[in-house]
Amino acid sequence: EPEVTQTPSHQVTQMGQEVILRCVPISNHLYFYWYRQILGQKVEFLVSFYNNEISEKSEIFDDQFSVERPDGSNFTLKIRSTKLEDSAMYFCAHTSAGNTIYFGEGSWLTVV
Amino acid sequence: GESVGLHLPTLSVQEGDNSIINCAYSNSASDYFIWYKQESGKGPQFIIDIRSNMDKRQGQRVTVLLNKTVKHLSLQIAATQPGDSAVYFCAENIPNTGNQFYFGTGTSLTVIP
Repeated sequence: EPEVTQTPSHQVTQMGQEVILRCVPISNHLYFYWYRQILGQKVEFLVSFYNNEISEKSEIFDDQFSVERPDGSNFTLKIRSTKLEDSAMYFCAHTSAGNTIYFGEGSWLTVV
Repeated sequence: GESVGLHLPTLSVQEGDNSIINCAYSNSASDYFIWYKQESGKGPQFIIDIRSNMDKRQGQRVTVLLNKTVKHLSLQIAATQPGDSAVYFCAENIPNTGNQFYFGTGTSLTVIP
């Protein structure tokens, strides 16, 4: 299974602070995604990114969220002003032309 | 949004027995399905997938069955081992939704040694 590296593995931040989560996917994959999982709940789609722009986004992905691939390698998710309800595990994922999505190990965000 | 649901939230089996985990999906247009395994504190791990033009697919110790008539998906694990203990999710892909997947809430499988 292709490896997706995510950093940090765990971050604690104060409410209102900005957070950047990073992902290093396989470079020759086409689609990149962010999903999140609130503790005890199901995995939820946030956003898909294709050809250096957002392809689809969910209702969760509001103006507080942004994604970019600044250097053609790292894929980042930024939360501008974190809220308590943003506490969750955030998964980066990617896929090639075959549609199968592979997930990273996740970044656990705790907002206090 | 579309829903993907699991019939049993928890399942306990004896080591060596076969496990069957079920999933119902609601969108008849879904054309691709994946089963994931998630261990505590880790990301979803791909197990097996199946496309809607198939009704059965086998992997190593795992089999996925797809019944499009009743929109039902199942994962069969043969000779269940303690290492199989995890939460299992099914996920469906609906065409023309930007390749996003919709996940069910998961079934927790516990293997009793």
